[in-house]
Amino acid sequence: EAGVAQSPRYKIIEKRQSVAFWCNPISGHATLYWYQQILGQGPKLLIQFQNNGVVDDSQLPKDRFSAERLKGVDSTLKIQPAKLEDSAVYLCASSLGVAGGRETQYFGPGTRLLVL
Amino acid sequence: QKEVEQDPGPLSVPEGAIVSLNCTYSNSAFQYFMWYRQYSRKGPELLMYTYSSGNKEDGRFTAQVDKSSKYISLFIRDSQPSDSATYLCAGSGGSNYKLTFGKGTLLTVNP
Repeated sequence: EAGVAQSPRYKIIEKRQSVAFWCNPISGHATLYWYQQILGQGPKLLIQFQNNGVVDDSQLPKDRFSAERLKGVDSTLKIQPAKLEDSAVYLCASSLGVAGGRETQYFGPGTRLLVL
Repeated sequence: QKEVEQDPGPLSVPEGAIVSLNCTYSNSAFQYFMWYRQYSRKGPELLMYTYSSGNKEDGRFTAQVDKSSKYISLFIRDSQPSDSATYLCAGSGGSNYKLTFGKGTLLTVNP
């Protein structure tokens, strides 16, 4: 079974530029999550999708971050414009059902973003 | 106060040692508790999953949850160099069961 795929693996941009990350979850998984992991911190949930719909985006900085899940499968996370404090690893995860933190979440390798 | 507090370490032990990793949490609604292991430049992977209070054992790993004191522990017996990683504790509960992570503890097991 293929795992969660993410691209790109690394990205370096200058502040005020825009950037987009892509995630392909495990086939058949209904729920997709985007987390931000700042160096030395645990992952922080940015947004949770259940199929096409948003379940939780309470910690997503909506003035600069946006995310969509196309046809309930792939997802993209965009930052526009980027700030220095957005430098982090962006992790995508998926889970089979809709139980959120009550079930196993499978993580991708992450995209490392450096904003200069 | 953060919802999940975890000593970031680093923790360095010799091979074969017993390792104890600990977290505290403040959210009384947490019912599910997880330990994730994260190798360098990789995504986290689920190691142990516990519901409510009690112990759970899986091979060399034992997870303990004490809801009365809001304390989560992971014990690793006969630690191996391959156990060297960051260990993240997490809890979930409440209305949306969002997973909330601690900072993670960096463990190094020396041969």
